[in-house]
Amino acid sequence: IVLTQSPATLSVSPGERATLSCRASHNVSSNLAWYQQKPGQAPRLLIHGASTRATGIPARFSGSGSGAQFTLTISSLQSEDFAVYYCHQYNNWPPWTFGQGTRVEVK
Amino acid sequence: QVHLEESGGGLVEPGGSRRLSCTASGFTFSDYYMSWIRQAPGKGLEWVSFISNTGSTIYYADSVKGRFTISRDNSKNSLYLQMSSLRAEDTAVYYCAREEKEEQLFTGVYYYYYYMDVWGKGTTVTVSS
Repeated sequence: IVLTQSPATLSVSPGERATLSCRASHNVSSNLAWYQQKPGQAPRLLIHGASTRATGIPARFSGSGSGAQFTLTISSLQSEDFAVYYCHQYNNWPPWTFGQGTRVEVK
Repeated sequence: QVHLEESGGGLVEPGGSRRLSCTASGFTFSDYYMSWIRQAPGKGLEWVSFISNTGSTIYYADSVKGRFTISRDNSKNSLYLQMSSLRAEDTAVYYCAREEKEEQLFTGVYYYYYYMDVWGKGTTVTVSS
């Protein structure tokens, strides 16, 4: 299953809303996760089951979608949210697959 | 607290071998499935291999099949990745990750899905002469 994320880079001002998209080549039901990765760090789980926030993840992060179209929304960007975000499908495996990432940068 | 720590990375010549280790703490290692994922410099994430909690079920990405071997020692809370016939394109940061299980009931049958919930900090493997 190929995951296509858009846009590749998103320029956003602090305090603004960011909307990231992930499209799957086939139906993955709700078996989709989102990860945040900062430079030099490991990925951190944000969302699983398409819309369930992982433990300790702030409420400004929300996920939606099912089937083949998914969205990660950051309601009000904080300075610590500028990072690369990956979607990941775990519905059809192996292989488990990731999107190519969306970089969220300061506008 | 849940923690994974990889080790064993370094510089390897093309065609060489390397063994990576991942030591787990803060959870019952023998209850969890585990995976290795890698990230080439400046690139995205690529799943490499998966192993069930007992080691009875193993999967590999096509890109490493026949060259890499995943294993675990539950008595040592450790996961391993034996890499051989290494190529330049295997150069990457290698992460181990814990697989969390989601159980879903569908038309009276339970299905199981696994996503990576905890990641180590990674260990870097560079394949170069």
